Amino acid sequence: AQSVAQPEDQVNVAEGNPLTVKCTYSVSGNPYLFWYVQYPNRGLQFLLKYITGDNLVKGSYGFEAEFNKSQTSFHLKKPSALVSDSALYFCAVSSDGGHTDKLIFGTGTRLQVFP
Amino acid sequence: KAGVTQTPRYLIKTRGQQVTLSCSPISGHRSVSWYQQTPGQGLQFLFEYFSETQRNKGNFPGRFSGRQFSNSRSEMNVSTLELGDSALYLCASSPSGVGLNEQFFGPGTRLTVL
Repeated sequence: AQSVAQPEDQVNVAEGNPLTVKCTYSVSGNPYLFWYVQYPNRGLQFLLKYITGDNLVKGSYGFEAEFNKSQTSFHLKKPSALVSDSALYFCAVSSDGGHTDKLIFGTGTRLQVFP
Repeated sequence: KAGVTQTPRYLIKTRGQQVTLSCSPISGHRSVSWYQQTPGQGLQFLFEYFSETQRNKGNFPGRFSGRQFSNSRSEMNVSTLELGDSALYLCASSPSGVGLNEQFFGPGTRLTVL
């Protein structure tokens, strides 16, 4: 069965510093991986995805993620954090190799960026 | 283009009642998925509909049901509500239902069961 794990419940970082939010995956077949962000009282917003190709994926709001097949990881990164990046971040994997929209989400990581 | 809309935004019910939640996808989107979000269980998949057909169902009891109409709008119903059904219910839509693309989420319906 497909699954993703987010080992950190919360990540704290100072504004201007680089940030990393971790995600590891377990899939049979090709991994199709996603990052979504949730701001308070809002639905989820898509940040980026890895389907195939370059291991470094660039997404919205200056975020990027690095796909590492040997370490089965898909960590979210940003070179310089903003206070407005504070939110709940979810890693997700397609449950059936991309045949349908069903996603399996991680437990989420709360990012706090301090001024 | 208008985003995904969900109604109502907030709902308070008592145990044993039933509830219907509505989701209007982005115009032209044919796939609608539903998720339940709780602090303890995180985001759990409920159903996925594509062109009025349920393609996937999550591991929820039969009290949870859904449907999709010809205009792609979707409803989910929960009968005989339990306290544990209190959650944020999110729906998401996509144009083609091919799971390689971005999904667009609505703001959710916050259901409180007393």
